[in-house]
Amino acid sequence: NAGVTQTPKFQVLKTGQSMTLQCAQDMNHNSMYWYRQDPGMGLRLIYYSASEGTTDKGEVPNGYNVSRLNKREFSLRLESAAPSQTSVYFCASSEGGDSELFFGEGSRLTVL
Amino acid sequence: RKEVEQDPGPFNVPEGATVAFNCTYSNSASQSFFWYRQDCRKEPKLLMSVYSSGNEDGRFTAQLNRASQYISLLIRDSKLSDSATYLCVVAPGAGSYQLTFGKGTKLSVIP
Repeated sequence: NAGVTQTPKFQVLKTGQSMTLQCAQDMNHNSMYWYRQDPGMGLRLIYYSASEGTTDKGEVPNGYNVSRLNKREFSLRLESAAPSQTSVYFCASSEGGDSELFFGEGSRLTVL
Repeated sequence: RKEVEQDPGPFNVPEGATVAFNCTYSNSASQSFFWYRQDCRKEPKLLMSVYSSGNEDGRFTAQLNRASQYISLLIRDSKLSDSATYLCVVAPGAGSYQLTFGKGTKLSVIP
């Protein structure tokens, strides 16, 4: 039972490089989310997709883009990585609204 | 005032102890409340939702005080396996997608 799967688990980038974090869920959830977690900051919402075909900004969207490819998949793209984007990124899914969030295992990104 | 505030701890308690965490929130219109648990270097997982009437799940009891805008989590008979960071989560409105996470309270249960 995979739940929420995100790749890659670890990545090191140089400033200015681009990359895409992939996320897929197999729970037939309508909503998907990308969060980042930094020491002393808690989890902050980057973008979310309430349903297939929609995306909305969260608290910290600058420097990121997202694509809801289909109901299962939601990707996060960094077009030009900056050291401030060094973080642990979590993808999550839920049935919708303020329902229980199911998280992936996280992706640890370091930007040098 | 920050939206969701928690005492970061750490709380170091012996096995078998009772420990309580509080969390305050600033948005009086908040509708839904949760406690998540996050083990070291792992993803958060839902521990329990918090209902207006309070709710209990085994050794865990969650309570909501709307007048004072805080929620609490009580853990009785602490186990070593309870060692984790506990995240307070608040939804600003019914059906809201933008949940606000507290920074977490770290609990270490000591043998």
